[in-house]
Amino acid sequence: DAGVTQSPTHLIKTRGQQVTLRCSPKSGHDTVSWYQQALGQGPQFIFQYYEEEERQRGNFPDRFSGHQFPNYSSELNVNALLLGDSALYLCASSPGFSYEQYFGPGTRLTVT
Amino acid sequence: AQSVTQPDIHITVSEGASLELRCNYSYGATPYLFWYVQSPGQGLQLLLKYFSGDTLVQGIKGFEAEFKRSQSSFNLRKPSVHWSDAAEYFCAVGDTGTASKLTFGTGTRLQVTL
Repeated sequence: DAGVTQSPTHLIKTRGQQVTLRCSPKSGHDTVSWYQQALGQGPQFIFQYYEEEERQRGNFPDRFSGHQFPNYSSELNVNALLLGDSALYLCASSPGFSYEQYFGPGTRLTVT
Repeated sequence: AQSVTQPDIHITVSEGASLELRCNYSYGATPYLFWYVQSPGQGLQLLLKYFSGDTLVQGIKGFEAEFKRSQSSFNLRKPSVHWSDAAEYFCAVGDTGTASKLTFGTGTRLQVTL
């Protein structure tokens, strides 16, 4: 049983560019959450998707947007990248409204 | 809003010694509490969870945690640490709202000396 998968593993972008990160949830899970983990910090909630709708959003600007597809996979898009967007981006999946979330290995984004 | 405090940024223990990592939360009702472990360059792995019932919960890899409502704490313990336990440990609380959002502490880095 495959767990949560994310792609790419690493990414280097320049300020002002746009990036798309991808996530496939664990089999049987229909809810996907995205978290940003800056160096030396705990993960911070970006948003959560369920039934292709954004269920809740954390304290992140509109430059951060997402999408969930009918097969429950999800994308995180970040526009107009800033140096401060450099972080590990974690995707987590869960069944329905469960707080028990399973995390993927993350995508390391570096903005130069 | 809910919050989680992990007072210890870095802890060093000898292999075979006991371990206790502290976690304090701020939440009005009975919280959903979690401990996750993160090895370098890896995602988060769920160690254990508390939803209700018995206040002492057992997790994977020999870890346990005790929920103490009077102290708003959910400390993680292990009787005998192994070198492979060296990692970053995060405490989290399930936040209220329209989503099953987790709020994390800033983490405690565990170093194990041989």
